[in-house]
This record gives sequence, C-alpha cells and structure tokens, in this order.
Amino acid sequence: AQTVTQSQPEMSVQEAETVTLSCTYDTSENNYYLFWYKQPPSRQMILVIRQEAYKQQNATENRFSVNFQKAAKSFSLKISDSQLGDTAMYFCAFGRQTSYDKVIFGPGTSLSVIP
Amino acid sequence: SQTIHQWPATLVQPVGSPLSLECTVEGTSNPNLYWYRQAAGRGLQLLFYSVGIGQISSEVPQNLSASRPQDRQFILSSKKLLLSDSGFYLCAWGLGSGGPGTQYFGPGTRLLVL
Repeated sequence: AQTVTQSQPEMSVQEAETVTLSCTYDTSENNYYLFWYKQPPSRQMILVIRQEAYKQQNATENRFSVNFQKAAKSFSLKISDSQLGDTAMYFCAFGRQTSYDKVIFGPGTSLSVIP
Repeated sequence: SQTIHQWPATLVQPVGSPLSLECTVEGTSNPNLYWYRQAAGRGLQLLFYSVGIGQISSEVPQNLSASRPQDRQFILSSKKLLLSDSGFYLCAWGLGSGGPGTQYFGPGTRLLVL
C-alpha cells in the first residue's frame, strides 16, 4: 500500500524568505501523480502544484516549485519570497493512475509566515 | 469552468439524530466524486468515492453512508449520529481514467455532534 510521510509537523519562515517542506512516499508503481495542497485557516483545500511521475522536469507555479527525486521517492515543496498569505497547512499527496484516481494524503505540515 | 458546492457550511446536531450533507458539481460530466473527513489538526481520511451514478465504494466501515442519485450530486448520510462523527467534511471531484489525476475540493461542512 502507498504511504505518504511529512516529517515536519510545524515550520516557520520569515516573510520574503524561502522555505522547503519535505515529503517522502512509498510505492511500487511507476506511473503516478504527486500533489501539494494548501489549506489556509478557511479550511478550503487548494491545489498548489502537481507533478506527473513520468516527467523528469520539476513542476513550478510562480513562487512554488518542487524537487522531485523519483528514485529516492522524495517530493519537496519550495516556497520562495514567502508571503503572509502562505500561512496554512500543506499536504503532500500521492495519486495512482486508476479509474477512480484515489489520492492518499500525508499528515500535513503547518507553515507559519512571520512578518 | 467547474465549481463544487457543499451545504450546509456548518451544522450542529444532537447525538442520535440523522444527517444529510450534499455536494454538487457544475461544469463537468461524469466526474469521480469523493467524501473526506478531517479531524481537527489532522489529515484527510477518505470515506467514500463514486465513479458513476449509483456506484459507491466505502473506504472505512462506519456509521455513515453515501449515495449518488444524479451524475453531479453526492450525498453523505447517517441514520444516527455519534459523537465521533464530529469533524470537517470535504467533498471533492476529479476526472476519470485518463484525466490529470487532480482532485478539486469544495468549501467543506463543519459538523459538531453534541
């Protein structure tokens, strides 16, 4: 069975600085998806970034980028120029390429951006 | 564009009362639909998923049930609520096989059972 681990329950970063959130996963599959979701205090789950396992190039979305290491089964999220609005829970997630696209979420990392 | 709605936004119910939470999706056809529960400060637990009308799969046996009476409607129910049913319930949709594998979430329902 697939598992997703986030070893940092809480992190903080100064505004305008860069922070990296860690995620590791375990799977025997070759084709899959990886995601980072953000859950601000409103609790709305928002997709931040998505990576397809067959793509070697790391995904980027504005200030958000990932470091995808397939052999190491590692998928970290880097947030550059941190803003107060980045304060949220961040969930790493793994998705299999199946008919129902089941997604397994990690336990989350609580990120606080300090002014 | 696609949108997903959930209601009610907040619900306070006594133990033993019934429950009905509704989720609807607009702007797409034949989506996969999901119900998750999130306890305070915790991750997401998948409760049910559906790949089509009338097709429901349960991930965790419990006091809840789900139904999909229409293509873009997903309902979470209980006949008798327990204290342990309190939590934040999220509905999500995704494209089926061949899609991008992404799930999109609704705003959620906060349920407090007293």
